Amino acid sequence: QSVLTQPPSVSAAPGQKVTISCSGSSSNIGNNFVAWYQHLPGTAPKLLIYDNNKRPSGIPDRFSASKSGTSATLGITGLQTGDEADYYCATWDFSLSVGVFGGGTKVTVL
Amino acid sequence: QVQLVESGGGVVRPGGSLRLSCAASGFNFNTYSMHWVRQAPGKGLEWVAFIRYDGAYPEYAVSVKGRFTVSRDNSKNTLYLQMNTLRPDDTALYYCSTLDWGRGFDYWGQGSLVTVSS
Repeated sequence: QSVLTQPPSVSAAPGQKVTISCSGSSSNIGNNFVAWYQHLPGTAPKLLIYDNNKRPSGIPDRFSASKSGTSATLGITGLQTGDEADYYCATWDFSLSVGVFGGGTKVTVL
Repeated sequence: QVQLVESGGGVVRPGGSLRLSCAASGFNFNTYSMHWVRQAPGKGLEWVAFIRYDGAYPEYAVSVKGRFTVSRDNSKNTLYLQMNTLRPDDTALYYCSTLDWGRGFDYWGQGSLVTVSS
């Protein structure tokens, strides 16, 4: 069980919006940067968000994120079939001195 | 451009050892901390180990602590993961990465497959 809790799956029709939550604690999300990844198994994860809400160059603004207290949220608008993947939140846990990934959320485009 | 290339994976029997390498290029390797991350079949991403840019302060996931050792040779721009006393649940695709969640300098290798099976 991960110390960061994500819903196992979310789904929506093309063009719609999905949000993915990531719940942690004061020793991780509450006091550190949060990142979000898009991942297709067998390939290298792709960074979507770093420093809680910043997008690397090349990531469309359809992807956005926020953090409040000990929780973070990733939003994807204008959902496309190419967005079908697993999405992970990640951060450092100061109490455990370990990196932590959420359990992952599978996004399905209906 | 930044490149991370893992090698050293393979099939090993339970209790055996393996050493993974990660050759880095395209950036100042000796100024970046590095991580290992793995994904077991059908499972999510799992953080495995961290080593600071100067080789200090290694940290490990509870699941590998005492069995795995992370190290680096900055003169060779190479990161290592020595894996001992391997167990079937260590079977995974192992990635090396810069994992810079604060600055976004986030690069990953293609992964090296480790299979622990009798």
